[in-house]
Amino acid sequence: QVHLQQSGPGLVKPSQTLSLTCDISGDSVSSISDTWNWIRQSPSRGLEWLGRTYYRSKWYNDYAVSVKSRITINPDTSKNHFSLQLNSVTPEDTAVYYCARGGYSGWLDYWGQGTLVTVSS
Amino acid sequence: DIQMTQSPSTLSAAVGDRVTITCRASQSISMWLAWYQQKPGRAPKLLIYRVSSLESGVPSRFSGNGSGTEFTLTISSLQPDDIATYYCQQSKGYPFTFGQGTKLEIK
Repeated sequence: QVHLQQSGPGLVKPSQTLSLTCDISGDSVSSISDTWNWIRQSPSRGLEWLGRTYYRSKWYNDYAVSVKSRITINPDTSKNHFSLQLNSVTPEDTAVYYCARGGYSGWLDYWGQGTLVTVSS
Repeated sequence: DIQMTQSPSTLSAAVGDRVTITCRASQSISMWLAWYQQKPGRAPKLLIYRVSSLESGVPSRFSGNGSGTEFTLTISSLQPDDIATYYCQQSKGYPFTFGQGTKLEIK
């Protein structure tokens, strides 16, 4: 059974970097059939897909244009997890952040528990 | 970005009712559509993928239909456990986008 466990701070100051980690059990971040995604949800923006990383002989990333200049999603094969870094955050980045597993097709079948991240001084 | 528009935003129905939620895409997404159920304080749960394929463990009262730009999620006989917000999601183009949600309430 696949399980995704998120960790990271719930409060980030404006202009700083939001960092979250998603630990994977029951699957491998290097799986050639899966993708590893970050999504966020806020009352003002709804559900917003941020990006993904996946391995197909080499590592790939796809990012939403809205955050492309600020986002990095990195796999860590030694720890079997993947991470989200979002730079230069503003209060508009306040949201519940989720990690999720998907197929290349894009639907998301396993989700982390969610982390409320508040951007405030 | 491909815009996904759901209707209605809120739906009130009685236990046993047949319920249908509609999702419209701003351009053709072929069969690249999934449906999710979200209960308060929980992550979304995948119900249906590729328009009409039922995810493992999802009750057969849930079904999906459509193609191109118009899609539906139907619950054949509403149960109390189905009270949640439902979202559609397209994965035809980047970024993957979601509908704004349909909140289902018991009448």
